[in-house]
Amino acid sequence: GENVEQHPSTLSVQEGDSAVIKCTYSDSASNYFPWYKQELGKRPQLIIDIRSNVGEKKDQRIAVTLNKTAKHFSLHITETQPEDSAVYFCAATDSWGKLQFGAGTQVVVTP
Amino acid sequence: DVKVTQSSRYLVKRTGEKVFLECVQDMDHENMFWYRQDPGLGLRLIYFSYDVKMKEKGDIPEGYSVSREKKERFSLILESASTNQTSMYLCGTGTLQGGAYNEQFFGPGTRLTVL
Repeated sequence: GENVEQHPSTLSVQEGDSAVIKCTYSDSASNYFPWYKQELGKRPQLIIDIRSNVGEKKDQRIAVTLNKTAKHFSLHITETQPEDSAVYFCAATDSWGKLQFGAGTQVVVTP
Repeated sequence: DVKVTQSSRYLVKRTGEKVFLECVQDMDHENMFWYRQDPGLGLRLIYFSYDVKMKEKGDIPEGYSVSREKKERFSLILESASTNQTSMYLCGTGTLQGGAYNEQFFGPGTRLTVL
């Protein structure tokens, strides 16, 4: 089955700096890669996603890149702000279409 | 606006009790999922359902069962609760369009404590 590994587990950045979170997956059939943000005490919410026919996608300060050959994808947050502090999860679909989640990255943005 | 609700935000049960967690969605999504969330382990899939009366095991189904009698409702059952089932339980819903899976939406979660 699909296995998704996510690094780092915690990330501390200064406000205004960039943050990068990396994930690898094992199933070459995976074709959908969402990223979720979970603020303390709240439900996970989708912030950006990418499909396997696209290499990069950007939405304002957030971008995701996908390298299908190497089976890894990354989340990039530029000009970080205190409200970016949260736990971020990457995920990948397996051959059944179910999402397999990474373990999560706790991002702390310090003013 | 997708609405996914769960029957309880917080639940405290005793070892050996039967526990029901219910999830209701109002978006006519065919896919529904139950996850448990534990620190450092992310979201792990317990069971999922692609249609009414259908259920499939996820990665950690032991000690759990599910029921989907209506499209909008997906229940998670702990037949005999144990302390290692203390966790946050999240319900998810999603849809398949044109052969591609789309965003999953989550309920607010149920924090279950088994004493």
